[in-house]
Amino acid sequence: DAGVIQSPRHEVTEMGQEVTLRCKPISGHDYLFWYRQTMMRGLELLIYFNNNVPIDDSGMPEDRFSAKMPNASFSTLKIQPSEPRDSAVYFCASSLMSGAKNIQYFGAGTRLSVL
Amino acid sequence: TQLLEQSPQFLSIQEGENLTVYCNSSSVFSSLQWYRQEPGEGPVLLVTVVTGGEVKKLKRLTFQFGDARKDSSLHITAAQPGDTGLYLCAGDGNTGKLIFGQGTTLQVKP
Repeated sequence: DAGVIQSPRHEVTEMGQEVTLRCKPISGHDYLFWYRQTMMRGLELLIYFNNNVPIDDSGMPEDRFSAKMPNASFSTLKIQPSEPRDSAVYFCASSLMSGAKNIQYFGAGTRLSVL
Repeated sequence: TQLLEQSPQFLSIQEGENLTVYCNSSSVFSSLQWYRQEPGEGPVLLVTVVTGGEVKKLKRLTFQFGDARKDSSLHITAAQPGDTGLYLCAGDGNTGKLIFGQGTTLQVKP
């Protein structure tokens, strides 16, 4: 398997523009997570899905952020309108709950810069 | 709210030195994981510890899970420049999500 695939790897946009980040999880995994990583705040969980259904979106910073998972092989994280403080690396991860183990596999991330 | 406190946040040492990273919480976790992240990449799992008191070794890395399953440590013996990176601990509270610590940035100088 190719692992978790995120696109784009880098995104530079201007304040006010819409940004869409994409994620393809590992085939067969039933959980998908979106994280944001910054030096100041570390790795923050934004939202996660189980079997394509959003379970916990309490980490989504505000209404400008939205996430969808229309099917088991695709998810998007959208920011509209974007602001400079949204600049960060956004990671997608997927996992398959198995027994006592919940191992998450991360994509390489999307580095977002909002000017 | 479950929290994991990781320490130290930054560590800069010389090649050959030993180091320990700590991960502490007031909450009990069903398992605890350690991830390593290199620049430009996502975190990658190093090990999962499940049983209280469990010790796992991965070459020069030794991982321990506290008896009460609330804390964990990572010990590196004779650190090498290739060990440089961000180390993250993560606790599984059986909610489907992991609780991540803030991370320890390790720099090993040759």
